[in-house]
Amino acid sequence: AQTVTQSQPEMSVQEAETVTLSCTYDTSENNYYLFWYKQPPSRQMILVIRQEAYKQQNATENRFSVNFQKAAKSFSLKISDSQLGDTAMYFCASYLSGNTPLVFGKGTRLSVIA
Amino acid sequence: EPEVTQTPSHQVTQMGQEVILRCVPISNHLYFYWYRQILGQKVEFLVSFYNNEISEKSEIFDDQFSVERPDGSNFTLKIRSTKLEDSAMYFCASSEVAVATEQYFGPGTRLTVT
Repeated sequence: AQTVTQSQPEMSVQEAETVTLSCTYDTSENNYYLFWYKQPPSRQMILVIRQEAYKQQNATENRFSVNFQKAAKSFSLKISDSQLGDTAMYFCASYLSGNTPLVFGKGTRLSVIA
Repeated sequence: EPEVTQTPSHQVTQMGQEVILRCVPISNHLYFYWYRQILGQKVEFLVSFYNNEISEKSEIFDDQFSVERPDGSNFTLKIRSTKLEDSAMYFCASSEVAVATEQYFGPGTRLTVT
């Protein structure tokens, strides 16, 4: 069974600074996908970034990047140049393929402070 | 850009009543999902649906729950006799089969059972 763990319930960062959100996971599979979802106060979940486990290169998406350490089963999210609009709940998630259930972590509440 | 839609955005019901939550997945997607998020907790998988039948379901998805695709566009979740603990945000998601890397989420329906 897959599990996803986010050990930081809450974090805060100053506007324009960089913050890293941690995520670890456990799976016995070799092929899987990892995601970071953002859930702003409006509550719709938005995909921020995804990583295919078979790719060694870390995914990047504008100000968002990941540090994927497959051997350590770690998948952290780095947000550079934090903006007030980044304030949200961030969920780390994984699945084996697009037609299997997503398994979510408990989330990290990020507050960006002006 | 295509998106998953859900209605209603907020549903209030009395304990013991039946509710139907509606979702319109992205039109060319073939896999559909329901997830639940109790306030302050992580998102949990309920059920997945493909080819007019349930593919997978979690322990939460007991006999009080059912899903249906009554026509070519809607995907519904029915709770037959609601309990207080069913109060949660319910998210619908869909994914393509061919490009099995992302599930797209709807905005959610907040269900309040009184």
